[in-house]
Amino acid sequence: AQSVTQLDSHVSVSEGTPVLLRCNYSSSYSPSLFWYVQHPNKGLQLLLKYTSAATLVKGINGFEAEFKKSETSFHLTKPSAHMSDAAEYFCVVSDRDSSYKLIFGSGTRLLVRP
Amino acid sequence: SAVISQKPSRDICQRGTSLTIQCQVDSQVTMMFWYRQQPGQSLTLIATANQGSEATYESGFVIDKFPISRPNLTFSTLTVSNMSPEDSSIYLCSGGDRKVTEAFFGQGTRLTVV
Repeated sequence: AQSVTQLDSHVSVSEGTPVLLRCNYSSSYSPSLFWYVQHPNKGLQLLLKYTSAATLVKGINGFEAEFKKSETSFHLTKPSAHMSDAAEYFCVVSDRDSSYKLIFGSGTRLLVRP
Repeated sequence: SAVISQKPSRDICQRGTSLTIQCQVDSQVTMMFWYRQQPGQSLTLIATANQGSEATYESGFVIDKFPISRPNLTFSTLTVSNMSPEDSSIYLCSGGDRKVTEAFFGQGTRLTVV
């Protein structure tokens, strides 16, 4: 079965500093991986996705993630945090063995300090 | 991309009653899923809604409690039956292509059971 582990429940950064949100996956084959963001009282928005093409994936709002098979990781980064980035971030894997249903990580709450 | 609309956006219900949540997609999607997000938690898959046949439920979720219909490729309903305060959650509908290379989410239905 596929799974993802988000290594930090909370991450706090200062505005203008880099963001790193960590995600490790477990899969017996090359997975499809996603990062979603959820702002307070808002729906889920897709930031970026990896589906076995380029290992460095660029998403919206300056976010990017690198798929590293050797480390089974798919960490989300951004060079410079903005106050509007404060939200909950979910790393997600698609389970190819089960109708491609999406399996969500536990989430990481990003706090951005002024 | 697909736009997913859910109704109602929120509701407060009495324990013991039932609520039906509607999910409408603005284009045909192969896969539709229902998720639950309990307060402060990540998303948990309830079931895969199958067109014209019974939904496929995840472990811990049963049809008697969460009956699901999917009469066509753009519409699905989830009923939360015989509600208790423990059912207070956000319920989200999701849709995607067959391999879920990208999943779209509705804004969610915020349910409070009193």
